Amino acid sequence: EADIYQTPRYLVIGTGKKITLECSQTMGHDKMYWYQQDPGMELHLIHYSYGVNSTEKGDLSSESTVSRIRTEHFPLTLESARPSHTSQYLCASSGPNRTPRGTDTQYFGPGTRLTVL
Amino acid sequence: RKEVEQDPGPFNVPEGATVAFNCTYSNSASQSFFWYRQDCRKEPKLLMSVYSSGNEDGRFTAQLNRASQYISLLIRDSKLSDSATYLCVVNGRLGGGADGLTFGKGTHLIIQP
Repeated sequence: EADIYQTPRYLVIGTGKKITLECSQTMGHDKMYWYQQDPGMELHLIHYSYGVNSTEKGDLSSESTVSRIRTEHFPLTLESARPSHTSQYLCASSGPNRTPRGTDTQYFGPGTRLTVL
Repeated sequence: RKEVEQDPGPFNVPEGATVAFNCTYSNSASQSFFWYRQDCRKEPKLLMSVYSSGNEDGRFTAQLNRASQYISLLIRDSKLSDSATYLCVVNGRLGGGADGLTFGKGTHLIIQP
């Protein structure tokens, strides 16, 4: 099982609030990712990181921002939440091979289901 | 042509049957291939990597056809618990993050009693 955690699991907030979604992994992985997924739809990559102090935007434009100050931690922040941000946010990581499955296998956290009213 | 294409289904299959589905990819330089499983409202979980020679894990068999640029997943003796969405994942493009992974939209499988 992957050791990657996300909090909160569910979040319901009002429009205009600032929120931070937490993601932590204890596998020592260098690379981390944030995906956005609406129900029944495909995953969309919104942010990724190669390592500490590295952040890049993904394929889908997002108003969120990320930071990577520590290897194990990759939080995502929305400065002013809007109803259009309602979605599931999935964090993933990959990195130095500690399993037989190869270096680019991504392991996912359980996700944060965000609802903005 | 989309980078990774899958038939979205749903595939309705009786319990105990064998089911197979394919995924095509557009980048001939792709080197890594995976099948992930995603249950409803859950995170994707790695089901198996796909190797050039094909590989088997219990009731699941994955095959890679580089010439035709597709990978397949075969499930034998299907169980009710196999009901899920199966995501085809391929690497090798410039986007897709540090690993260059592209996730397909998934094939929805429903095993019926």
